[in-house]
Amino acid sequence: SAVISQKPSRDICQRGTSLTIQCQVDSQVTMMFWYRQQPGQSLTLIATANQGSEATYESGFVIDKFPISRPNLTFSTLTVSNMSPEDSSIYLCSGGQQQETQYFGPGTRLLVL
Amino acid sequence: SQQGEEDPQALSIQEGENATMNCSYKTSINNLQWYRQNSGRGLVHLILIRSNEREKHSGRLRVTLDTSKKSSSLLITASRAADTASYFCATGAGNMRFGAGTRLTVKP
Repeated sequence: SAVISQKPSRDICQRGTSLTIQCQVDSQVTMMFWYRQQPGQSLTLIATANQGSEATYESGFVIDKFPISRPNLTFSTLTVSNMSPEDSSIYLCSGGQQQETQYFGPGTRLLVL
Repeated sequence: SQQGEEDPQALSIQEGENATMNCSYKTSINNLQWYRQNSGRGLVHLILIRSNEREKHSGRLRVTLDTSKKSSSLLITASRAADTASYFCATGAGNMRFGAGTRLTVKP
């Protein structure tokens, strides 16, 4: 299994600013992903964080808004740029080996005022 | 877009009763995973079932998979108040598609 931590656990931000969320896995994993969960909704995949290369974004998500880094097999960051109140959500990272269990971090609860 | 749908959307039962949640999906899969989420926190992994498996157990949890019907079910037996949570199914190799979830309430 993998244990995943995220920082910060929550934040309140002003519109127009950016926030970087960190995701740390306690073991090397081939796959890492970022999800968004809007209030009262299910999870939506934002992107696949690729180690050493650009992330692969899902439809509706773009790199300028959600830049992602993954410098190694245990760490990734997601930046939410130029935030608006519509970005208020829980952001979750996940990791695991391909075709195996995907483990989730505790989430980062973001409120944009 | 969402891959699957869970039903019911909400389920309320008494402690000790069994709870059954269903999940349907649209495309062929290699595996399907069930997760629990307590009140907006992180997701806890419950069970992964592969496409060549029909049933899997873990403690009070039983998951079935019917690939011909593209559906799965999660059964929680002898439910407890602590089982109150949202339950999601997800398909995909890692870049998963989640259903809308079932909100389970277990009354003491």
